[in-house]
Amino acid sequence: DSGVTQTPKHLITATGQRVTLRCSPRSGDLSVYWYQQSLDQGLQFLIQYYNGEERAKGNILERFSAQQFPDLHSELNLSSLELGDSALYFCASSDTTDTQYFGPGTRLTVL
Amino acid sequence: GQNIDQPTEMTATEGAIVQINCTYQTSGFNGLFWYQQHAGEAPTFLSYNVLDGLEEKGRFSSFLSRSKGYSYLLLKELQMKDSASYLCAVVTPNQAGTALIFGKGTTLSVSS
Repeated sequence: DSGVTQTPKHLITATGQRVTLRCSPRSGDLSVYWYQQSLDQGLQFLIQYYNGEERAKGNILERFSAQQFPDLHSELNLSSLELGDSALYFCASSDTTDTQYFGPGTRLTVL
Repeated sequence: GQNIDQPTEMTATEGAIVQINCTYQTSGFNGLFWYQQHAGEAPTFLSYNVLDGLEEKGRFSSFLSRSKGYSYLLLKELQMKDSASYLCAVVTPNQAGTALIFGKGTTLSVSS
């Protein structure tokens, strides 16, 4: 158990809908990262927040957005969902080092 | 661009030694991680190399050559539970933060 929690574990929704994925980092970690993992693409970095501020951005679609709240939990919002958005979404957190610890993931299925 | 290459699949037998190679070409380099991932589960941290050389941790060792853009993960005394995907990831600077750029992973199958 990495200490990073994610909810929900599974999410099934329809195309065009909007969902919110939630992540709580390890106690004391200020950085939160979001990744998408699909079968053909592997793990893709989406975005990093540090103590409430956006710090780094990967190939995150404009339909996706994220934020980190004062209590350091983070949410990833996915809107206008498409079939291709079906994937595992992981959150990771780190302290002052670069080592990232991953949560159990949210499996999103878009029908 | 960012490119990280590792073999797609490898097989080995229990008790053997296996070496998983990783080559990278990235814009910036702050370090290299190896993660283990069982199907449908979270990646778990194995090793972190920042400087050239070999880092040993129990049955697992990782080597880095920054001048060659090359790393390998060495697994000794293989066990069935080592069957998993092994991910090579490079830490790159990204705006005011960092990002992990992952290879597509090497699926290792250990047989008895």
